[in-house]
Amino acid sequence: NAGVMQNPRHLVRRRGQEARLRCSPMKGHSHVYWYRQLPEEGLKFMVYLQKENIIDESGMPKERFSAEFPKEGPSILRIQQVVRGDSAAYFCASSKTEGPYEQYFGPGTRLTVT
Amino acid sequence: LAKTTQPISMDSYEGQEVNITCSHNNIATNDYITWYQQFPSQGPRFIIQGYKTKVTNEVASLFIPADRKSSTLSLPRVSLSDTAVYYCLVGDRGGFKTIFGAGTRLFVKA
Repeated sequence: NAGVMQNPRHLVRRRGQEARLRCSPMKGHSHVYWYRQLPEEGLKFMVYLQKENIIDESGMPKERFSAEFPKEGPSILRIQQVVRGDSAAYFCASSKTEGPYEQYFGPGTRLTVT
Repeated sequence: LAKTTQPISMDSYEGQEVNITCSHNNIATNDYITWYQQFPSQGPRFIIQGYKTKVTNEVASLFIPADRKSSTLSLPRVSLSDTAVYYCLVGDRGGFKTIFGAGTRLFVKA
């Protein structure tokens, strides 16, 4: 049973470009969470999605960031017009049931904005 | 969501038992206590979860006193590969936000 898949693992973007991060949850999981981690800091919750629904996006910056989890395909975290401050590791997690427990994390996407 | 406080770092030697304590004074009745482990350049990995008293699995034990205002993660006989950051989280099992603090950096020496 494959774990949570994220791609790309590393992404370099110039300021002003768009970044698209993909996350495929574990088989049978319908809950997806996105987190951001800055160097030497803990993970910060961004958004929680179920299939075709955004349940909570209170951790998402109001502008430039969006997320979706379509009926078919992976979840996408999209960052428009990236700035240097967006450089971070972005982790996706999935769970079978709702809750803060037993979330299975992917390996992360390291975004570098130059 | 209850806030947690953990030591920033701890050092240990191979073969020793390591206990990491987490304070969560405003834990709510419905909250569970969960610990994750994170290695550099990897996503966090679930270790253990509990509500009260003691929970044990093949990796660790979790001790929770009666007032539930703190909890202790116990790692028996650590090895060099246990060097990682350990996060204590408190939340409602039915909730969905997970607050990761700075965690505890455990460094195991030979």
